[in-house]
Amino acid sequence: QVQLVESGGGVVQPGRSLRLSCAASGFTFSDFAMHWARQAPGKGLEWVAVIWYDGNNKYYADSVKGQFTISRDNSKNTMYLQMNSLRAEDTAVYYCARGYNWNYGSYGMDVWGQGTTVTVSS
Amino acid sequence: DIQMTQSPSSLSASVGDRVTITCRASQNINNYLNWYQQKSGKAPKLLIYAASRLQSGVPSRFSGRGSGTDFTLTISSLQPEDFASYYCQQSFMTTWTFGQGTKVEIK
Repeated sequence: QVQLVESGGGVVQPGRSLRLSCAASGFTFSDFAMHWARQAPGKGLEWVAVIWYDGNNKYYADSVKGQFTISRDNSKNTMYLQMNSLRAEDTAVYYCARGYNWNYGSYGMDVWGQGTTVTVSS
Repeated sequence: DIQMTQSPSSLSASVGDRVTITCRASQNINNYLNWYQQKSGKAPKLLIYAASRLQSGVPSRFSGRGSGTDFTLTISSLQPEDFASYYCQQSFMTTWTFGQGTKVEIK
């Protein structure tokens, strides 16, 4: 079945780095844009970044631009999020999600992983 | 960036009630508006895309309307499993944004 599984979360000290992974299965990974979104404890959803199907286009929320890097390896059906210079405000559940296309437009995210928790604390 | 503003931030309703949530974009986003449901501790679920199109498997009591800057999500007859948080999200720009969410609670 169609599935996304995140990994790589954990507790990290401020200023350190962490890399999240998102393993896809059950669909042709290289056909879809992929996204990261996050949710801080008790807060709403925040879109983080997107990478297009071929990896040639990447876009970021202003809050993480220059700090996070999204990438993908279509041969491994895996997407990544490299997070550098982590701050307390980056503490959140991080979700990967598949982009949904309809009628030549990008409309939302139709498949989500279960999330991986990142806690930035000394 | 496009700002998305939802109202109300929370509401209390009873089973069987008709519930409407509003989402306003800070600029014209045509129909690039999507709605999600999120239950506590779970990943979000896409309910409606392109402002009014029901995602496969979503019950027909959910509906969406709007275009441009003003949008609504309506639940025609609230069911026990509908108590959750709801988020709008724009996909008009290359960078996406969510509304702040609406929590639907049991009265």
